[in-house]
Amino acid sequence: GQNIDQPTEMTATEGAIVQINCTYQTSGFNGLFWYQQHAGEAPTFLSYNVLDGLEEKGRFSSFLSRSKGYSYLLLKELQMKDSASYLCAVRDGITGGGNKLTFGTGTQLKVEL
Amino acid sequence: EAGVTQSPTHLIKTRGQQATLRCSPISGHTSVYWYQQALGLGLQFLLWYDEGEERNRGNFPPRFSGRQFPNYSSELNVNALELEDSALYLCASSLTVGSTDTQYFGPGTRLTVL
Repeated sequence: GQNIDQPTEMTATEGAIVQINCTYQTSGFNGLFWYQQHAGEAPTFLSYNVLDGLEEKGRFSSFLSRSKGYSYLLLKELQMKDSASYLCAVRDGITGGGNKLTFGTGTQLKVEL
Repeated sequence: EAGVTQSPTHLIKTRGQQATLRCSPISGHTSVYWYQQALGLGLQFLLWYDEGEERNRGNFPPRFSGRQFPNYSSELNVNALELEDSALYLCASSLTVGSTDTQYFGPGTRLTVL
């Protein structure tokens, strides 16, 4: 199975940088996803890592270390609209698991003035 | 391009009743996934369908079932509803089995069991 841990809540200031960490223990691994979810809305895809290293996408970057079972999402130049829950999800790589995603409980980010 | 759509937006049922939730994937996507998001909990994987077949199911009782139609839309049925089934039910779709394609989520159906 999979176990995914991320902080429950974080607070940051508008214009600042914030790093949201995610650690996982898995019996199979075929990629790690980050999603953003505003209250009452569907999760929206932010980033995907399957190889070690940093993936950059505008104000958002995501890092993966498979040997450490660790990822982080980096948000730069924070805006008020970035206040949301950020979900870390691992794709199962075992036979029959296919594209099943296991999600962490999410990190609620609050951006303040 | 239209995203994943789900209906109804909200559904209110009483204990013991059955609920049917519907999902239409993004055009061209053949895989459909169902997740349950209960208040304060992370998304829990329910079911995965591809090409009309159930490929995997999560740790949920058999009263959670579903199917996928030839046009790749899907239905989730929950029988003998219990209070703890109250949750947001999210459907996602992706392009192909075994690929690295991302799952894209619909807006969800909020099920309330009274």
